[in-house]
Amino acid sequence: DQQVKQNSPSLSVQEGRISILNCDYTNSMFDYFLWYKKYPAEGPTFLISISSIKDKNEDGRFTVFLNKSAKHLSLHIVPSQPGDSAVYFCAASAGTDKLIFGTGTRLQVFP
Amino acid sequence: SQTIHQWPATLVQPVGSPLSLECTVEGTSNPNLYWYRQAAGRGLQLLFYSVGIGQISSEVPQNLSASRPQDRQFILSSKKLLLSDSGFYLCAWSVRNQPQHFGDGTRLSIL
Repeated sequence: DQQVKQNSPSLSVQEGRISILNCDYTNSMFDYFLWYKKYPAEGPTFLISISSIKDKNEDGRFTVFLNKSAKHLSLHIVPSQPGDSAVYFCAASAGTDKLIFGTGTRLQVFP
Repeated sequence: SQTIHQWPATLVQPVGSPLSLECTVEGTSNPNLYWYRQAAGRGLQLLFYSVGIGQISSEVPQNLSASRPQDRQFILSSKKLLLSDSGFYLCAWSVRNQPQHFGDGTRLSIL
């Protein structure tokens, strides 16, 4: 049972435009959500997080939105840059330090 | 600052051989430690986590085991590798209520 789902395996966006990566979850007990970025042959790097008491968190070009009623979160990258090309994982936890990861979305930003 | 070291970066092993992957963390005390596996085209699957020396929780039944002989050392082992053990193994650490931070991983190929 996949509790955290990233239904788009890949996304291609032009440089300067907005990238929107989506993530859905099924467990209503999840209270903390994170996005990680991963380059090939490297470990994931923490990008941004959001608590379930918020519906938006912003850090520079990155904004995460949480819609609890829809059990949906999204990551917006504006403006997108070629260096943003990577695999993005969303993850969630339910009151513990254990994370449940999605399967990832490969973002390609082209000139 | 905190750092995490994982080695080796790549490993090719024959079926039936033993395995030992090591992970160490510097710059923090009593971290939570985690082992993940990323199979080809899949998300990150939590294999083991540890909240202290000698305290190991297994998340999925498998051919692998983990040990934590020291506060900042986490070891992933197997007595006899299977073909299905191939994958990208990641070690991570965290402290309470903070995001997990990952090492650069070990690419394990079983022949």
